Amino acid sequence: DTGVSQNPRHKITKRGQNVTFRCDPISEHNRLYWYRQTLGQGPEFLTYFQNEAQLEKSRLLSDRFSAERPKGSFSTLEIQRTEQGDSAMYLCASSPLGGAQETQYFGPGTRLLVL
Amino acid sequence: GQSLEQPSEVTAVEGAIVQINCTYQTSGFYGLSWYQQHDGGAPTFLSYNALDGLEETGRFSSFLSRSDSYGYLLLQELQMKDSASYFCAVRNTGGFKTIFGAGTRLFVKA
Repeated sequence: DTGVSQNPRHKITKRGQNVTFRCDPISEHNRLYWYRQTLGQGPEFLTYFQNEAQLEKSRLLSDRFSAERPKGSFSTLEIQRTEQGDSAMYLCASSPLGGAQETQYFGPGTRLLVL
Repeated sequence: GQSLEQPSEVTAVEGAIVQINCTYQTSGFYGLSWYQQHDGGAPTFLSYNALDGLEETGRFSSFLSRSDSYGYLLLQELQMKDSASYFCAVRNTGGFKTIFGAGTRLFVKA
């Protein structure tokens, strides 16, 4: 069991640039979630995939954010035209289909700093 | 709307018992979850209450009362390594979005 992995672990970019993060869930997990977390706050839901289908997306998510899970395995989160307010930790989590969705296994996160 | 409220900080001594409360407002939900997060680390699942009552897992127990929209996490025999942030979370019925509270920072002192 290798757990959920995320790459890169850290990303520094300039405002206006595009960034892409990758998440590799636990291999048998069909459910995949993306969250954003800022200092002193809990994870904020961004989007949810069941296999390759994106079933829910936060209304707080602007159209600069897009996520994919093309083969139902790894997922990518892209932020276009980054803004300083996008600076945060981006967390990915997975859980197995058939288990409680509340039991989510988180990756180590990608820390984004937008200068 | 949906919201969860937790105390921002709790301090306790090693070996003691501490209770972290969580009150929530939501129209309907599946149950209450608890996660632990150490500084610089990822959240780690601790427990889940789908039904009213107490769930025990080692030194940690979690309680839910749907009628009171309230739950708590109980940590016994506190150890220094329990110093972390603890988050309660709910998922509304009919959706996949999980909502986390702002977290309670627990400081365990020697």
